[in-house]
Amino acid sequence: GNSVTQMEGPVTLSEEAFLTINCTYTATGYPSLFWYVQYPGEGLQLLLKATKADDKGSNKGFEATYRKETTSFHLEKGSVQVSDSAVYFCALSTKNNFNKFYFGSGTKLNVKP
Amino acid sequence: ETGVTQTPRHLVMGMTNKKSLKCEQHLGHNAMYWYKQSAKKPLELMFVYSLEERVENNSVPSRFSPECPNSSHLFLHLHTLQPEDSALYLCASSHRDSYGYTFGSGTRLTVV
Repeated sequence: GNSVTQMEGPVTLSEEAFLTINCTYTATGYPSLFWYVQYPGEGLQLLLKATKADDKGSNKGFEATYRKETTSFHLEKGSVQVSDSAVYFCALSTKNNFNKFYFGSGTKLNVKP
Repeated sequence: ETGVTQTPRHLVMGMTNKKSLKCEQHLGHNAMYWYKQSAKKPLELMFVYSLEERVENNSVPSRFSPECPNSSHLFLHLHTLQPEDSALYLCASSHRDSYGYTFGSGTRLTVV
């Protein structure tokens, strides 16, 4: 079946620290992979995506590389800011006749000044 | 504003009440979704509508009743809910033939 596992939080970092949030997946077929971010009181926003192996998604200083050999899609950022404090969700999508997403349980990131 | 609008943003209802959540999108998407987000649990897919036809219902209790009158609107009708139904209910939309959802900001539901 399809599933996503991501590291449990919360993750607490100081401003300008390096961030890694681990995400691994199991899937049948060739899924696309996503990171979504949820700021307090809001819905989920697409942060970045990768649709095939070895693709790198990037946005707002965040990056993740689709690693088929390790079934991973770890999220990284070189220097976090207080404004990055949010919950981050890793997800995969398999497309039949509609988009079906499988989400991880989310990792809360707290960045302290 | 993401292009997917959910109303109300917050809702408190008693267990005997009947209420409805509304979702609206004008992005030209042809699939719409309801998700439930509870504390410390993965997002749970509740219902999928593709071209206004319900294509998935993930064993959701009958006290939740979806309605998709057209490709731009999706409702979730609620009746005789339980306190454990308190959660953030998220609507999303997408094109059937492309990847990626657009989410609304959600309705925070509290059942008392």
